[in-house]
Amino acid sequence: GAVVSQHPSWVICKSGTSVKIECRSLDFQATTMFWYRQFPKQSLMLMATSNEGSKATYEQGVEKDKFLINHASLTLSTLTVTSAHPEDSSFYICSASMETGPSYEQYFGPGTRLTVT
Amino acid sequence: AQKITQTQPGMFVQEKEAVTLDCTYDTSDPSYGLFWYKQPSSGEMIFLIYQGSYDQQNATEGRYSLNFQKARKSANLVISASQLGDSAMYFCAMRETNTDKLIFGTGTRLQVFP
Repeated sequence: GAVVSQHPSWVICKSGTSVKIECRSLDFQATTMFWYRQFPKQSLMLMATSNEGSKATYEQGVEKDKFLINHASLTLSTLTVTSAHPEDSSFYICSASMETGPSYEQYFGPGTRLTVT
Repeated sequence: AQKITQTQPGMFVQEKEAVTLDCTYDTSDPSYGLFWYKQPSSGEMIFLIYQGSYDQQNATEGRYSLNFQKARKSANLVISASQLGDSAMYFCAMRETNTDKLIFGTGTRLQVFP
């Protein structure tokens, strides 16, 4: 149980275009979903936290107008990278949790590799 | 501010031997959780083990154990009987009670050789 999927697994887009990444919890309802970004050989950096039906909370330094997050239901969150540029090329990973509190695990999706040409 | 430190960028271990991956943390919150994740080259994050700040005993999950020293604020991962498939990046992470955020360390690349 507790499976999180991401779609697409990889995407190539041209500079200036927008790309949407979906994150779905397949067998549970996610109270909270998280979006991370990982550059090659670096750690995961939290971009934003989203709760169903409310606006996402962005981490300091993350442009909310560039990285649009929509958490439309308890099983789906989307990240849209608007007007993508080559420096946005990265590995984007989402995670979802069922409960709050330190003991509850975040279940990670398999990630989406974005390449902007 | 909370912080996770992994001082070993890379580690080598021979197959069947044990290896310890270091992790120290800093937080002012008395209640927190510590996690270890494995990230193979495919990129997926695989949950390995969890330790709560109030847990009295060190966590164990199969070949994985967590050496939790609260006073020293360390949460080292011990992998026993290493296997070639253990070669991957390993991340230590912390989650505080008042937020749901996971803060990750910089990771340690483990390479297991025959």
